Amino acid sequence: NAGVMQNPRHLVRRRGQEARLRCSPMKGHSHVYWYRQLPEEGLKFMVYLQKENIIDESGMPKERFSAEFPKEGPSILRIQQVVRGDSAAYFCASSRTKQGANYGYTFGSGTRLTVV
Amino acid sequence: AQKITQTQPGMFVQEKEAVTLDCTYDTSDPSYGLFWYKQPSSGEMIFLIYQGSYDQQNATEGRYSLNFQKARKSANLVISASQLGDSAMYFCAMREIRWQGAQKLVFGQGTRLTINP
Repeated sequence: NAGVMQNPRHLVRRRGQEARLRCSPMKGHSHVYWYRQLPEEGLKFMVYLQKENIIDESGMPKERFSAEFPKEGPSILRIQQVVRGDSAAYFCASSRTKQGANYGYTFGSGTRLTVV
Repeated sequence: AQKITQTQPGMFVQEKEAVTLDCTYDTSDPSYGLFWYKQPSSGEMIFLIYQGSYDQQNATEGRYSLNFQKARKSANLVISASQLGDSAMYFCAMREIRWQGAQKLVFGQGTRLTINP
């Protein structure tokens, strides 16, 4: 029973390029959450998606960032025209229901994005 | 809005000693959940323990226990008999209820725990 799978683990992009981060939720989980962790800080909520729907994107920057969770395939967090300030660890979590669980969702291992 | 405060940026403890990591929270919701996560140097987020606001007893999971003081709005993590492998960042988090029943976690800034041999 594989956990939440994120890839790539590390991603290096030059300023102005696009970054695409992938998250495959646990089997049977249809709710996905993306969090961002800047160096030496806690995780900050970005977006919550269900299959084919964005439910809550209150933590997403208004420009350059988008997320999707198609009917088939992984959830994608897309960052266009990356800047140095986008360098961070991006974590994905999944849950079976929107209420999550008392274990606070299962997190993937994260993608470390470095913008050079 | 909900808020989590961890006032200890770093802590140094001798191996085998007990350690308490502080966490205070602020919320107006009567129902909430509190979590502790461990983040080792490898970077993954490891769930440690959960406490619900209506739970009558403090949560325990092996060497981890949560000292829940509801009136003081504190949820301190206690690690008994610390081990070298406990060296990591520790995050306190609160579950915030959003619309349509959806939820998100609000994290504190973290405490870096170092266990000395």
